Amino acid sequence: QLQLQESGPGLVKPSETLSLTCTVSGGFIGSSSYYWGWIRQPPGKGLEWIGSIYYSGNTYYNPSLKSRVTISVDTSKNHFSLKLSSVTAADTAVYYCARQSYDYFWGSPVLGSFHIWGQGTMVTVSS
Amino acid sequence: QSALTQPPSASGSPGQSVTISCTGTSSDVGGYKDVAWYQQHPGKAPKLMIYEVTKRPSGVPDRFSGSKSGNTASLTVSGLQAEDEADYYCSSYAGSNNSYVFGTGTKVTVL
Repeated sequence: QLQLQESGPGLVKPSETLSLTCTVSGGFIGSSSYYWGWIRQPPGKGLEWIGSIYYSGNTYYNPSLKSRVTISVDTSKNHFSLKLSSVTAADTAVYYCARQSYDYFWGSPVLGSFHIWGQGTMVTVSS
Repeated sequence: QSALTQPPSASGSPGQSVTISCTGTSSDVGGYKDVAWYQQHPGKAPKLMIYEVTKRPSGVPDRFSGSKSGNTASLTVSGLQAEDEADYYCSSYAGSNNSYVFGTGTKVTVL
């Protein structure tokens, strides 16, 4: 069955760039049926959507993070990645990757629910 | 973008029902068909419980049901069991800025 696994440094210094990768196993990231997303959860707080990407490279980003976020996909490695620049302590969180459904509305993609999640990885921003 | 509004907490005794609301606007909950609900136990990843307002993924008990009226979606857990004690989040596409939004979260306690 499909599984997702996040990987990357657990500690990042303030002002530096957070980089994470989500490796997909048991399925092909190049499927035309899904988007692939990143979600984070600060300690003791709720879920926050960061952004989503299609295998072709089409991306959607959270407007509040858009200036600092880059999500990319590598179908040859069956993984997708997150880069968040200029991090501060407020970016300390558990970061999840997940497979996302989508549909079309008036000819444009509409993001849907996250059906399969990775286990999450804790990233702490601290000097 | 603003998070969808959920009550911070809800509770019920074993066997009873609890309903959680998720209030948005016509640009998110009210405007799109894929409103979803997730269950999250402490230290675990969220698990999809309801998608497209009323559909249950394979393996989710039929004690979990969803509905929507206007800009408010609801999750009902019937026949509460101890393992239903968890945090629950709703989510929806937000068309006004081509983004996706989660609810504020509701902690369900089984008394």
